[in-house]
Formats: sequence, C-alpha cells, structure tokens
Amino acid sequence: DTGVSQDPRHKITKRGQNVTFRCDPISEHNRLYWYRQTLGQGPEFLTYFQNEAQLEKSRLLSDRFSAERPKGSFSTLEIQRTEQGDSAMYLCASTPQSDTGELFFGEGSRLTVL
Amino acid sequence: SQKIEQNSEALNIQEGKTATLTCNYTNYSPAYLQWYRQDPGRGPVFLLLIRENEKEKRKERLKVTFDTTLKQSLFHITASQPADSATYLCAPRDDKIIFGKGTRLHILP
Repeated sequence: DTGVSQDPRHKITKRGQNVTFRCDPISEHNRLYWYRQTLGQGPEFLTYFQNEAQLEKSRLLSDRFSAERPKGSFSTLEIQRTEQGDSAMYLCASTPQSDTGELFFGEGSRLTVL
Repeated sequence: SQKIEQNSEALNIQEGKTATLTCNYTNYSPAYLQWYRQDPGRGPVFLLLIRENEKEKRKERLKVTFDTTLKQSLFHITASQPADSATYLCAPRDDKIIFGKGTRLHILP
C-alpha cells in the first residue's frame, strides 16, 4: 500500500497524559499537513511542512501541541498534558510540490481523552 | 481572518436530480479551489480543482464553477445517485489549504 498511513488508528488516554501520532506520507511528497476534525466539522488546519521545514502553525494551537518532520519523510504530532477537548480525529495529508496541491489523506488517528 | 462558509444544513435531494452545493469565502484571494468528498470515518478524497482564471470545470457528473468577484464556488452533481451521499468539503488555497465545514448531502432513493 503506497498511500498515507497513520498510527495508531485509535488512542484512548487519560487526561494529563501525553500522546504521539505518526504519519508516513506518500513517498516523495514534499508537503505534509496535519488537521484536526471533530464531529460535524470540517478538517481544522493545525500545521504543515515543506520537507523538514515547518512553514506554519495555527494560532489556535496551544503550546501543548508540537509537530516534527525531522528527515522530511514521516512526521509526528505530539500532544502534551491532554485535555478532554483534545478528543478528535487527527488527519494527516501529503501532497507533491505542484501548483495543484491535491491532498492525499490518511485514515486518521482517533483520540479519546477520558 | 479567512473564513469559508458552506451550506450549514444537510441537503436532501431526490435521486436523479441535480444537487448544488455552495461555498463562499471571505478575506482572501485563493489561486484555486478544491472540492473533496468525505465518507463517515474516512479521510477526505480529492474530487476536483478549479483555478481562479477558470469559470467552470467538469468531470463526469460533477461540475464546479468559480466566481472570484462573488468569492463563491458552486459544486453540482447531476443525475444524483444514493452512492453520492457523503459530506462535501470546499477548500480554497492560497499558500496552505483550509477547509470549510462541509455540506452533508443525502440522495434519497
């Protein structure tokens, strides 16, 4: 399978714990995006990378959220000291460097904070 | 701040009719606009892209228009089928891609 893969698919954690999600984009895709989605809402932009460089991080994102893409391939999204409001689907998408920018999404990582 | 508005309510359309979904945006000028389909529990899937210098784009039963003066895109599905039932997301793009809330479309048999 050469699509975008995310791990884990489901994560249940207690409030205050740290969680980390991993995204493996399609090979040779330069750009990688993270989005958060809650029920009935569209994907909310969190951050994006061009190769290993983080180009922008949403101002809505608290300092508890951090993302990395150390070698320009896979990416991780870490949430520290989770809160119940962090419960959501975390979506990763990648795209080749082209003017069309069609996004290829993974199946998402669903987080439940108890 | 940048804002994207789509039909906020679910849209119910009789099978065989044309479904029309609306996307309005404010406070930016996207170079192009994308439409995605999302099924429950799945990631969005790209459908169509239209550039700012294009008025209309077609792909099979899908048609998209883009009016940069009105800051609006319309997404049409002709001869709709129950399998077209899904949430449709509008995504204008300047440097990054931001999504609207989406419109839930139900095609009634």
